[in-house]
Amino acid sequence: EVQLVESGGGLVKPGGSLRLSCAASGFTFSSCGMNWVRQAPGKGLEWVSSISSSSSYIYYADSVKGRFTISRDNAKNSLYLQMNSLRAEDTAVYYCASLGHAFDIWGQGTMVTVSS
Amino acid sequence: DIQLTQSPSFLSASVGDRVTITCRASQGISSYLAWYQQKPGKAPKLLIYAASTLQSGVPSRFSGSGSGTEFTLTISSLQPEDFATYYCQQLNSYPHTFGGGTKVEIK
Repeated sequence: EVQLVESGGGLVKPGGSLRLSCAASGFTFSSCGMNWVRQAPGKGLEWVSSISSSSSYIYYADSVKGRFTISRDNAKNSLYLQMNSLRAEDTAVYYCASLGHAFDIWGQGTMVTVSS
Repeated sequence: DIQLTQSPSFLSASVGDRVTITCRASQGISSYLAWYQQKPGKAPKLLIYAASTLQSGVPSRFSGSGSGTEFTLTISSLQPEDFATYYCQQLNSYPHTFGGGTKVEIK
């Protein structure tokens, strides 16, 4: 079964750090660009970051540039998002998604809450 | 950055209605546009890519059209399971922005 499963979300204080993981199965992970998308409570979708299949190309939204780092381990079929200097406005459900024709496969999401 | 403007932001319709949602890009994006459906508490689901190509497994009542700066998503006959929020997304350039969403509710 084609699947993406996120983990690592939780409650963190402003200024803190968190590392999200996304485990892929059922498809050739190493051939796919991967992405993080977030959704604040009651709000729309916001693209966060993308990484190419070989990690050669990486892109970030201005809202997270310099604070978040996307990475991947093709040997482990895993995608990561290191989030530092977290702010209240980073509170959201974070989804990983694979890039095929578009964002074809999505995980179920992991909730990140930034609050004191 | 390319901005995507969806209209309407909210739509009330009945089962069997034909529904059209518009997505306008702030600059030309050729056909690099996708449409997603999202139900409460669930991840988005890809419906259409390349502006008009139906994703495998998506019912044929969904269709997409357009190129350049103006795009539409049409549901030919609204079904109960179609009540959801719909988003467009451009994949022409980074950042891969999303539209603000259109919530389709039961009249």
